[in-house]
Amino acid sequence: DTGVSQNPRHKITKRGQNVTFRCDPISEHNRLYWYRQTLGQGPEFLTYFQNEAQLEKSRLLSDRFSAERPKGSFSTLEIQRTEQGDSAMYLCASSALAGERAKNIQYFGAGTRLSVL
Amino acid sequence: QQPVQSPQAVILREGEDAVINCSSSKALYSVHWYRQKHGEAPVFLMILLKGGEQKGHEKISASFNEKKQQSSLYLTASQLSYSGTYFCGSYVMTTDSWGKLQFGAGTQVVVTP
Repeated sequence: DTGVSQNPRHKITKRGQNVTFRCDPISEHNRLYWYRQTLGQGPEFLTYFQNEAQLEKSRLLSDRFSAERPKGSFSTLEIQRTEQGDSAMYLCASSALAGERAKNIQYFGAGTRLSVL
Repeated sequence: QQPVQSPQAVILREGEDAVINCSSSKALYSVHWYRQKHGEAPVFLMILLKGGEQKGHEKISASFNEKKQQSSLYLTASQLSYSGTYFCGSYVMTTDSWGKLQFGAGTQVVVTP
């Protein structure tokens, strides 16, 4: 069991550049989630997929953010025209679909820390 | 709408006990507790599903009072390895939301020798 893997671990970019992050979930998990975490705060939901379908997006996810999960395996999160306010830790989590949604346990990756200069 | 955690931070000496509280203004159907060490992934500790339920993970246990819409995490005889930030999370249970786990702001725990 290799856990949730995220790459890169750190990304420094200049304002206005585009960045892309990758997440590889636990292999048998069909749900994949993206969160954003800033200093001193808990993870904040961005979006999630069930297999290849994107089922929910947060209002926080502006038009500059796009996420994909082709073939229902790994996922990418792209931020276009980055702004300094985008600086944060971007966390990915995955879970196996549980019969009762309240039992859905999410397992997190170590995150990608983005710094926008 | 996110859960509220208290205290924000706690400093303990090894062997001491601490309680972290998590409360919500909305109905809680389950509570998920995680611990995150600096620069690492949040690690799942336990899930509480039923009112009045208690669970344990080594000397870390938790209770869930569904009626009061709150959960408490108990760190007993703390060890240095318990240091980290503890988050409680709960699902937003609306008909159009299946995946949105909402987290509190976290409680930073520092255990000193």
